[in-house]
Amino acid sequence: GAVVSQHPSWVICKSGTSVKIECRSLDFQATTMFWYRQFPKQSLMLMATSNEGSKATYEQGVEKDKFLINHASLTLSTLTVTSAHPEDSSFYICSAPSGRITYEQYFGPGTRLTVT
Amino acid sequence: GQNIDQPTEMTATEGAIVQINCTYQTSGFNGLFWYQQHAGEAPTFLSYNVLDGLEEKGRFSSFLSRSKGYSYLLLKELQMKDSASYLCALAGAGSYQLTFGKGTKLSVIP
Repeated sequence: GAVVSQHPSWVICKSGTSVKIECRSLDFQATTMFWYRQFPKQSLMLMATSNEGSKATYEQGVEKDKFLINHASLTLSTLTVTSAHPEDSSFYICSAPSGRITYEQYFGPGTRLTVT
Repeated sequence: GQNIDQPTEMTATEGAIVQINCTYQTSGFNGLFWYQQHAGEAPTFLSYNVLDGLEEKGRFSSFLSRSKGYSYLLLKELQMKDSASYLCALAGAGSYQLTFGKGTKLSVIP
């Protein structure tokens, strides 16, 4: 089956620094990818929709200048958390649509971000 | 918008059957998904319903009633490894975007 990878799987950074998370579709092309955030014991919340070759679409309440999304190719989307703060510590998960009529998505393994 | 409700926690015994309910309010959707998520891991796909009725996949079955705004996930012959969170999610009309419920944490006990 299709695989979506994320890198890094976990990262620790200091407050005020920026962190880049990569999401790759390994054996299929994805013109759209989704970025989710999940805080402990909570469900996944959609942050933004990443579109290849155009600007990302952000959900209400998500700061686009803080969470920079770049979808430079059909297999790669990146999320950069700028000027990170401890409250940005979370589990970040990307997904890509399968293209099937079932609207199934393939999820990456997630990236655990800890800001100290 | 979409509003999805699930019980927060459930406990069941190994070998038993458990039903996890999901109710929702939405103006329209393509289909309803159930995902399993172990702590610290990404969700894994379990089932998908687009039409009313029961979909069976091995030990897992999912049911949908659009008229009642209701779905359930049925897990049979529970195993300890089934201890996880189970997420109900709606795919928006004409979109791949998923809206997740808060998830139900299932604990399977011996």
